[in-house]
Amino acid sequence: EPEVTQTPSHQVTQMGQEVILRCVPISNHLYFYWYRQILGQKVEFLVSFYNNEISEKSEIFDDQFSVERPDGSNFTLKIRSTKLEDSAMYFCASSEVKELFFGEGSRLTVL
Amino acid sequence: DQQVKQNSPSLSVQEGRISILNCDYTNSMFDYFLWYKKYPAEGPTFLISISSIKDKNEDGRFTVFLNKSAKHLSLHIVPSQPGDSAVYFCAARSDQTGANNLFFGTGTRLTVIP
Repeated sequence: EPEVTQTPSHQVTQMGQEVILRCVPISNHLYFYWYRQILGQKVEFLVSFYNNEISEKSEIFDDQFSVERPDGSNFTLKIRSTKLEDSAMYFCASSEVKELFFGEGSRLTVL
Repeated sequence: DQQVKQNSPSLSVQEGRISILNCDYTNSMFDYFLWYKKYPAEGPTFLISISSIKDKNEDGRFTVFLNKSAKHLSLHIVPSQPGDSAVYFCAARSDQTGANNLFFGTGTRLTVIP
């Protein structure tokens, strides 16, 4: 069964460093998303991407965040200068129509 | 801004009995609702969905009920199995606005006791 894959599964970084989280969405899906879940809190929407551009973004997705689809398969989330409060599980998702399919997540720990 | 609320953080049910997970929403523009199941250290897995034009959708042991006037939906699992133990998230979206992101509730941890 096709699935969304994410790398790395866990990344530890120092505050102020740049981080890139990678995702390979399901191949025939057209919509791509990043969500995050801070420990003990709800899953929060960050950004959606369609037709090679951002279609929506939340208040969380400020200038420190960017997304890119550098080739036909990868979808990346970059955090330019990480802060302690960026520590969370980051989930990539893709969809064909309405149901989102999520990857297993990348745990980011900012020290 | 809690547009989707799951007021029960946890629920314990005996194996074989019915599990009922509840969800309330405040945004009347929401017209499509989904339930996701999440195991620790894994991403949410899609379970079942319902459009606002329906009031019930069934898939095997899982049934979702929607009460639009009360802005309430519920997920019924019957019979409950130990493998159903997980965190269940309710999510909603609005096709009317053209937005395609999901708004999630805070989740309910279901424990099915053998």
